[in-house]
Amino acid sequence: DGGITQSPKYLFRKEGQNVTLSCEQNLNHDAMYWYRQDPGQGLRLIYYSQIVNDFQKGDIAEGYSVSREKKESFPLTVTSAQKNPTAFYLCASSIIGQASGANVLTFGAGSRLTVL
Amino acid sequence: ELKVEQNPLFLSMQEGKNYTIYCNYSTTSDRLYWYRQDPGKSLESLFVLLSNGAVKQEGRLMASLDTKARLSTLHITAAVHDLSATYFCAVDMRNYGQNFVFGPGTRLSVLP
Repeated sequence: DGGITQSPKYLFRKEGQNVTLSCEQNLNHDAMYWYRQDPGQGLRLIYYSQIVNDFQKGDIAEGYSVSREKKESFPLTVTSAQKNPTAFYLCASSIIGQASGANVLTFGAGSRLTVL
Repeated sequence: ELKVEQNPLFLSMQEGKNYTIYCNYSTTSDRLYWYRQDPGKSLESLFVLLSNGAVKQEGRLMASLDTKARLSTLHITAAVHDLSATYFCAVDMRNYGQNFVFGPGTRLSVLP
C-alpha cells in the first residue's frame, strides 16, 4: 500500500543533542513537507521540498535542517539550536499538478519528540 | 500574510444535534481542504473544495466554499460520538507562491 512512513514514533532527546526524524514515501509525490504541531494548536510549516536536492524554509525553520537526496526521502534534523523542540512532527507529501488540480496533502503518522 | 480563522475553537454538542464550523481566510484562494485529526493521530483528508460554490458531502458531514466571502463551512448533521475529533481547514496558496495555511482547528466533542 502506498503511504508515508515516519520513524521513530516516539523520541526522547537530551538538551544539546541533535536528532533526526525519518520520512519516507512511496506515493511518487514530488513535494514533501514537515510540519510542527504543539498541543492544542494548528500546524506550522518548517520546511518543504518540491524537487530532489532543493528545499525551502517555511515559517519556523530556525533550529531545523533537512535534506532531499532522494525523491522518496525527506529527513528532518532537530538541532540543539531549536530551543523548544518538544512537539508532534508531521511529514506530508503531495503531487505538483496543474493549477486547477486537487493536490491534497497526505500525512504520515507523526513523530512525537520530547526533550528531557 | 494570509490568516485562517476557525470558529468555534471548541465545540461540545449532544448526539443528534446539528452544528456548523466556520473557516474564514483573509486573502484570495479558490482551493480549500478539510482534515480530521483524532487525538494523538495524524491528519486525514475529508474534503477538497476547488471552486466557488463547491459543496461536498460524506455521511453526516457537508462542506462548502464561498470564495467571494472567503468562507468555508463544515456542517454536522445529527452528530454521533464517532465524529469527536479536531477538524482543520487548510487554504491552498500554492498558486500564489506560498503553501498550505492551516487554521487553528476546531475540537469537537459529541456527548451521548
